Amino acid sequence: QQQVKQSPQSLIVQKGGISIINCAYENTAFDYFPWYQQFPGKGPALLIAIRPDVSEKKEGRFTISFNKSAKQFSLHIMDSQPGDSATYFCAASIEGYGGSQGNLIFGKGTKLSVKP
Amino acid sequence: DAGVIQSPRHEVTEMGQEVTLRCKPISGHDYLFWYRQTMMRGLELLIYFNNNVPIDDSGMPEDRFSAKMPNASFSTLKIQPSEPRDSAVYFCASTSHSPDIWGYGYTFGSGTRLTVV
Repeated sequence: QQQVKQSPQSLIVQKGGISIINCAYENTAFDYFPWYQQFPGKGPALLIAIRPDVSEKKEGRFTISFNKSAKQFSLHIMDSQPGDSATYFCAASIEGYGGSQGNLIFGKGTKLSVKP
Repeated sequence: DAGVIQSPRHEVTEMGQEVTLRCKPISGHDYLFWYRQTMMRGLELLIYFNNNVPIDDSGMPEDRFSAKMPNASFSTLKIQPSEPRDSAVYFCASTSHSPDIWGYGYTFGSGTRLTVV
């Protein structure tokens, strides 16, 4: 119930293409769904986040799509660039208002390589 | 702010030795987390603190692992005795929660790469 399942494990995309990473969860109490980006030798960094009352959130070339009924959410990277090559983690937690009720549960990560 | 600061960046130690990892969270953050990252298991939460108090240590693998947060600006993760299977990258992260703000991003340090030989 506490797991977040992420796929694929690795992804190779041509420059300019669309990168899509998918995540699924079981715990319907989750109400905060962030994506983190990690470059080699660095810690993960918050990229974008969504809450379950919104079906889509866009920030530049990065978009989160959220399907509450299917308990799935995905990250889309439009016009993928070699600089986007990194490992991406989805996560979920029970946050909401009033402070944290838990901690972030991370997916296993997707290693994205964008070929020039 | 310099972000979350971890030390050392790299640690190589022999099996059976004590290892201490250190973390300085962002000033004003009231939550601190210790994660372990491996290829096989991904990012695993080991323990987290709220206002210097340990809240959940269910992720600590065994009694060889201990963590302390003596004050708001410092935390340690200790492994005694260390074993080769403890080799991993250990991350510290911090965040701040407020009842007026939805959703809180964690700020991670750059990690400590531990190798136990």
